[in-house]
Amino acid sequence: AQSVTQLGSHVSVSEGALVLLRCNYSSSVPPYLFWYVQYPNQGLQLLLKYTSAATLVKGINGFEAEFKKSETSFHLTKPSAHMSDAAEYFCAVTGVGGGADGLTFGKGTHLIIQP
Amino acid sequence: GAGVSQSPRYKVTKRGQDVTLRCDPISSHATLYWYQQALGQGPEFLTYFNYEAQPDKSGLPSDRFSAERPEGSISTLTIQRTEQRDSAMYRCASSRGPYNEQFFGPGTRLTVL
Repeated sequence: AQSVTQLGSHVSVSEGALVLLRCNYSSSVPPYLFWYVQYPNQGLQLLLKYTSAATLVKGINGFEAEFKKSETSFHLTKPSAHMSDAAEYFCAVTGVGGGADGLTFGKGTHLIIQP
Repeated sequence: GAGVSQSPRYKVTKRGQDVTLRCDPISSHATLYWYQQALGQGPEFLTYFNYEAQPDKSGLPSDRFSAERPEGSISTLTIQRTEQRDSAMYRCASSRGPYNEQFFGPGTRLTVL
């Protein structure tokens, strides 16, 4: 069984400040981990993914995430927030194999950027 | 097609009616997924297809829900005798294969009155 916990349904940061969105997972097998972003009235877009290669993963739009097995975490960061980063962010996990059994998503974190 | 498309984008129906939602995946993609996303929640897996085969139906919440992909391309999700608790965003995704990145469509917002 797999599950994802995203801490904080809403996170507010100032433009130019560090963005940190937290994700913890549980999985009985080595996980594949993903971050998706959802802009209003659009589908989910993949930001980045961890598939057992490098533990620090770089994605689009300046985002990156670090897989920490000892902490069962996959937190998403961006050094400097931009107004266009305002969106809903979802962390997701699959079992080994990467997705034949569908993705298990967290509840999402709404990122708010203050001018 | 260039991306995953879904229709209709919005559907309002009365309790007890049947509804059918459509997903048109990226044309080269073998695998297709359906998810249900309630308000304030993340998407939840319903079922998936490899071409026309449906290996996993475990996420379908009841026997009122069924999905088809008869020719391995377009898929439909049908909900019979809709109930208010079926109100949600229904998302479709496709991928080149079961172990590849999933590309999501814009979703169908279903409201059951």
